[in-house]
Amino acid sequence: GEDVEQSLFLSVREGDSSVINCTYTDSSSTYLYWYKQEPGAGLQLLTYIFSNMDMKQDQRLTVLLNKKDKHLSLRIADTQTGDSAIYFCVSTGGGNKLTFGTGTQLKVEL
Amino acid sequence: GAVVSQHPSWVICKSGTSVKIECRSLDFQATTMFWYRQFPKQSLMLMATSNEGSKATYEQGVEKDKFLINHASLTLSTLTVTSAHPEDSSFYICSARDQIGTDTQYFGPGTRLTVL
Repeated sequence: GEDVEQSLFLSVREGDSSVINCTYTDSSSTYLYWYKQEPGAGLQLLTYIFSNMDMKQDQRLTVLLNKKDKHLSLRIADTQTGDSAIYFCVSTGGGNKLTFGTGTQLKVEL
Repeated sequence: GAVVSQHPSWVICKSGTSVKIECRSLDFQATTMFWYRQFPKQSLMLMATSNEGSKATYEQGVEKDKFLINHASLTLSTLTVTSAHPEDSSFYICSARDQIGTDTQYFGPGTRLTVL
């Protein structure tokens, strides 16, 4: 089946940029999403990118997509303590099913 | 816009009882809703796809007689965990698909089920 891989943990200092990387296997993904989950809470859609785009910028968030290598990244500029959460990379497969990555826990230190 | 609610947010029940969890799309209609299960520090696992007015489609390994899904209207889907046991304790999250625009799934805040 489809697979989405992410590193499990990332720690950055406040004010630095964070880059969370993801690789996926489903080449038919139409959209790729980044969701944020804070402790004990549901998922918040952060941003998405259509598969025919290379880059999308939304305020502090920049998404880069390398479709050839099936690599997606999320860059958070000027990372704040409120950005501490788990970030899920999600691909869409057949039937609009979402395939979730393992999640990357981002810890922002002062 | 695109808000999904779940009720209750946390439920504790005794082993052998049934628990119903509601998922509502508050400001849009969703012909398709999804139910996920998340164990601590793990990713989400899709349990079933719920289609309005028809039977749910369950993922492999998910017992349809144990996890009853009803999608009676375009804004409400329910998941009933029947004869719950401690191993059913988990975080259950629903999502609703907004079929206008990007076809994005919007997630509810989740329901924590603890079975004693």
